[in-house]
Amino acid sequence: EPEVTQTPSHQVTQMGQEVILRCVPISNHLYFYWYRQILGQKVEFLVSFYNNEISEKSEIFDDQFSVERPDGSNFTLKIRSTKLEDSAMYFCASSDLVSGAGETQYFGPGTRLLVL
Amino acid sequence: RKEVEQDPGPFNVPEGATVAFNCTYSNSASQSFFWYRQDCRKEPKLLMSVYSSGNEDGRFTAQLNRASQYISLLIRDSKLSDSATYLCVFRGSTLGRLYFGRGTQLTVWP
Repeated sequence: EPEVTQTPSHQVTQMGQEVILRCVPISNHLYFYWYRQILGQKVEFLVSFYNNEISEKSEIFDDQFSVERPDGSNFTLKIRSTKLEDSAMYFCASSDLVSGAGETQYFGPGTRLLVL
Repeated sequence: RKEVEQDPGPFNVPEGATVAFNCTYSNSASQSFFWYRQDCRKEPKLLMSVYSSGNEDGRFTAQLNRASQYISLLIRDSKLSDSATYLCVFRGSTLGRLYFGRGTQLTVWP
């Protein structure tokens, strides 16, 4: 079964540093998402991406965040200057309306980010 | 304003028990509804979509009440492997963002 993959699985960084979280969505999916989950809290939407541009973003997704699809397979989330409160699990998801099961967003295993 | 509200539990039930979870949502324009399950420190995984007429998948039954803005999940004949956090999720538009509840924790004991 195709799956979303994410790297790294864990990342520890110093406050103020830049981090890039990487995702490989399911092949032939066209819609991509980032969510995050702070420990003990609910999963929160960050941003959605389609056709090489942001479709929607939440209030969490401020100027410190950016997304990119640098090639045909990767989808990245960059945090320019990390804050302590950015510590969370970051999930990538992908979806494809065309496939018939397209309403489902498939989640990757996540990257656990710890900002010290 | 909380968009999705769930009883956080925990629910602790013996194997074989029937357990039900409820969830309310605030956005009356919500289009699609789902139950996801999340194991500890893992990603959310789709358990089932929730349709207006109600739907069943094996031991799991989901119901939607648009008038009262709640959805429910019934698990019959609980298994140890059902132990997880169950997330109530809705989406406002096709391919739009998902809104998650905080989840209801279920532990099934032998």
